[in-house]
Amino acid sequence: DGGITQSPKYLFRKEGQNVTLSCEQNLNHDAMYWYRQDPGQGLRLIYYSQIVNDFQKGDIAEGYSVSREKKESFPLTVTSAQKNPTAFYLCASSIPNGNYGYTFGSGTRLTVV
Amino acid sequence: AQSVSQHNHHVILSEAASLELGCNYSYGGTVNLFWYVQYPGQHLQLLLKYFSGDPLVKGIKGFEAEFIKSKFSFNLRKPSVQWSDTAEYFCAVISYGNNRLAFGKGNQVVVIP
Repeated sequence: DGGITQSPKYLFRKEGQNVTLSCEQNLNHDAMYWYRQDPGQGLRLIYYSQIVNDFQKGDIAEGYSVSREKKESFPLTVTSAQKNPTAFYLCASSIPNGNYGYTFGSGTRLTVV
Repeated sequence: AQSVSQHNHHVILSEAASLELGCNYSYGGTVNLFWYVQYPGQHLQLLLKYFSGDPLVKGIKGFEAEFIKSKFSFNLRKPSVQWSDTAEYFCAVISYGNNRLAFGKGNQVVVIP
């Protein structure tokens, strides 16, 4: 079955450490996205990539970094510069431009202690 | 920048009651509109979408939404809810040429048996 795989489901890290969240898709989608979900704030866009080797900042990119070396993969690194990293992170993919909606992964809940 | 407003973040109602969730967006150009649902512990799923044509769209599980262009609205309705409709509901909008899906803050709906 085609879909998006995010791993791990739960992740714990100590403050000050960088951590990388995995996102893999086998839908042959060109575009991929990272969102952060916090209670009462909906989903906010962190980074997105319309094509391999290219990506753009979203609305809350500070303290995060991404790479897009392969079409199937779009890992997100939460750096120590992110002031409030504890959150639920969602990865999504779509056909180019995303006009027909996104497919979402099941998310990674990151807790920084 | 496009924005999406959802009101009444927390909604509590009894089984068999009718549900209506409001969604307003700010962008004046051509848009595609979506409602996503997130059941407890699960990933976001597409409930319904509007691209063009009949402004009344029907989705899964008895949900429907009406696009009113003059009011920049895309309200979600269900005539009779069930306990299994307990979930968080997100309205989302993408405008042509923007390439970014913007989400509202969500409605947390609790249906009491």
